[in-house]
Amino acid sequence: AQSVTQLDSHVSVSEGTPVLLRCNYSSSYSPSLFWYVQHPNKGLQLLLKYTSAATLVKGINGFEAEFKKSETSFHLTKPSAHMSDAAEYFCVVSDMNRDDKIIFGKGTRLHILP
Amino acid sequence: GAGVSQSPSNKVTEKGKDVELRCDPISGHTALYWYRQSLGQGLEFLIYFQGNSAPDKSGLPSDRFSAERTGGSVSTLTIQRTQQEDSAVYLCASSLFSQGYTFGSGTRLTVV
Repeated sequence: AQSVTQLDSHVSVSEGTPVLLRCNYSSSYSPSLFWYVQHPNKGLQLLLKYTSAATLVKGINGFEAEFKKSETSFHLTKPSAHMSDAAEYFCVVSDMNRDDKIIFGKGTRLHILP
Repeated sequence: GAGVSQSPSNKVTEKGKDVELRCDPISGHTALYWYRQSLGQGLEFLIYFQGNSAPDKSGLPSDRFSAERTGGSVSTLTIQRTQQEDSAVYLCASSLFSQGYTFGSGTRLTVV
């Protein structure tokens, strides 16, 4: 069975400082992992995905995530936060090779302080 | 089409009425998912279709909820005798192996 845990429901950072959104997963298979972002009153948008290629994945808007199998983690980072990054972020796990159903974390709301 | 299309984008209905929500997935995508997002809550899995296999209905919250997917393409989520707790944004997503998931913009359902 697969599961995903987002360790923080809310994260607040100052504009220009680094962002770290934590995600731990559990999977019986080699997982595929994704981060999605949802801005207020908008649909979900794919930020980046890991599908067993490079462990450091670069996404849109300067975000990146590193797959660490030993720690079963896939934390999302950005070196310097921008006001436009304020949104809700979802970590997702799935086994793409089996096209199994996707499991969402509960989300982390990112607040950017001026 | 270019993306996943959901209709209607907004639906207000009276308690006790039935509603149908429609999802047009990306052409050729074999997998289709329904989720819902209630105010202040994360995404809740509802149902999953994969090709011609029997759907995974394990997330449907009650027998008032049902979904079908005709011809392996368009899907309809039906909620019978709607209740106020059914108010949420209903999201549809489709996928094909190794290509990630694409979400529709959702249907915002309000039960009054």
